[in-house]
Amino acid sequence: DQQVKQNSPSLSVQEGRISILNCDYTNSMFDYFLWYKKYPAEGPTFLISISSIKDKNEDGRFTVFLNKSAKHLSLHIVPSQPGDSAVYFCAASAGSVGSGATNKLIFGTGTLLAVQP
Amino acid sequence: DAGITQSPRHKVTETGTPVTLRCHQTENHRYMYWYRQDPGHGLRLIHYSYGVKDTDKGEVSDGYSVSRSKTEDFLLTLESATSSQTSVYFCAISGRYSNQPQHFGDGTRLSIL
Repeated sequence: DQQVKQNSPSLSVQEGRISILNCDYTNSMFDYFLWYKKYPAEGPTFLISISSIKDKNEDGRFTVFLNKSAKHLSLHIVPSQPGDSAVYFCAASAGSVGSGATNKLIFGTGTLLAVQP
Repeated sequence: DAGITQSPRHKVTETGTPVTLRCHQTENHRYMYWYRQDPGHGLRLIHYSYGVKDTDKGEVSDGYSVSRSKTEDFLLTLESATSSQTSVYFCAISGRYSNQPQHFGDGTRLSIL
């Protein structure tokens, strides 16, 4: 069973517009969520994260929104740039700060974002 | 870049042979992880380590073993490789707390013929 789902395998947007990538989860124990970006032949690169005690976290052009009641998170990229073209993975973990939690991540299957010039 | 080096970067081998992949870190992080990435599955955790000689299974651990004799090195071994283990393998590291993101190496592409 897929605990973290990214239902859109791909997304195409125009440069300068907003990109919205979506992720759904089923495990209510998840309390930490992350987005990673991956270019071909490279490892995933951490982008932004959010704790379950928040509903929004912003870092420059990237904003992550968390809707716990819907078990849904989204990543907004504004404005989108051609260099943002990559596969985006959302990931989730269960555990609490300071508990020595293992930080075991469950990943979605990824969304390929193409930003057209 | 996080100081993570995976070796080899590419390997082709035959079914039934043993294979060892190495992950080396220079960050002195406590936690190290091995994932595999396959189409349609994202990244899946194979094994992880929470300290020297302390390891545990992830969600797809069958057919794999790991060892960590030093903080900086985490080895993944396929005792008898099978074609289903053809994949891209990623090592990751993280600090102590669950609100610290994992940082990944650049991967090892393993093909088992």
